[in-house]
Amino acid sequence: QKEVEQNSGPLSVPEGAIASLNCTYSDRGSQSFFWYRQYSGKSPELIMFIYSNGDKEDGRFTAQLNKASQYVSLLIRDSQPSDSATYLCAVNGYGGSQGNLIFGKGTKLSVKP
Amino acid sequence: EAGVAQSPRYKIIEKRQSVAFWCNPISGHATLYWYQQILGQGPKLLIQFQNNGVVDDSQLPKDRFSAERLKGVDSTLKIQPAKLEDSAVYLCASSPEDFHNTDTQYFGPGTRLTVL
Repeated sequence: QKEVEQNSGPLSVPEGAIASLNCTYSDRGSQSFFWYRQYSGKSPELIMFIYSNGDKEDGRFTAQLNKASQYVSLLIRDSQPSDSATYLCAVNGYGGSQGNLIFGKGTKLSVKP
Repeated sequence: EAGVAQSPRYKIIEKRQSVAFWCNPISGHATLYWYQQILGQGPKLLIQFQNNGVVDDSQLPKDRFSAERLKGVDSTLKIQPAKLEDSAVYLCASSPEDFHNTDTQYFGPGTRLTVL
C-alpha cells in the first residue's frame, strides 16, 4: 500500500516567520512530488512540483527533496496570514509519469498576524 | 482559459438514492480524474481517463460507483445506491498530457455530497 504521511497540525507560526511542512512517502519508485494548497471549502491548487534531489525555489516557497530518505518538505518564507490553509503533499503513483497522485492528509497551517 | 467546471456544487440525498455528478475539463485536456475527498483527508483517486479510455479505476467501488467519459470530453460520475460513508467532496481534475513528470492537474471546485 503506497502511503504519503504528513503531520496534520495545526502548525501555527507568526507572521513573517518561516513555516516548515514535512512529508514522507513509502514508494521508492515515486519520481514526482507535488505540494498543493487548499483553502477551507476550496479545491486544491498546485504550488510547486519537484522531481530531483535538492532544493527548488519559487518566490517565497522552497521545496526540498531527499529520495534516499523518502522525504519532501516545503518551506514558506515570510509567512503571511493569507498562507493560512491546508497543505497537501502528493506523490505520483507511477514511475516516470504523473498520472495517479497519492495525497497525504494535509497539514493545516495557521499564520498569526 | 476557462477552468474545470463541475455541477452541481452541492447535493443532499438520502441513503440508497442515486446521484450523478458532471465534469467538463479544460478544453484540450486529454486526461481527466475523479477524486473523493472525505473531510480531514487528502483526495483519493477514484478513476482516471485518458481521452475516453479508462487508465486506472482500481479504487472505484464498482458495485455502486460508475463513471464514463463519452467522446473524450465531459465526464459523469454516478453513485447508485448511495451510502452514508459516501458523504464527501467529489473533485474532478484534468491535465493536458499524461506521462510527463512536470505535468499539472487542475482541479474543479468540487461537488459536496451529503448522504443522510
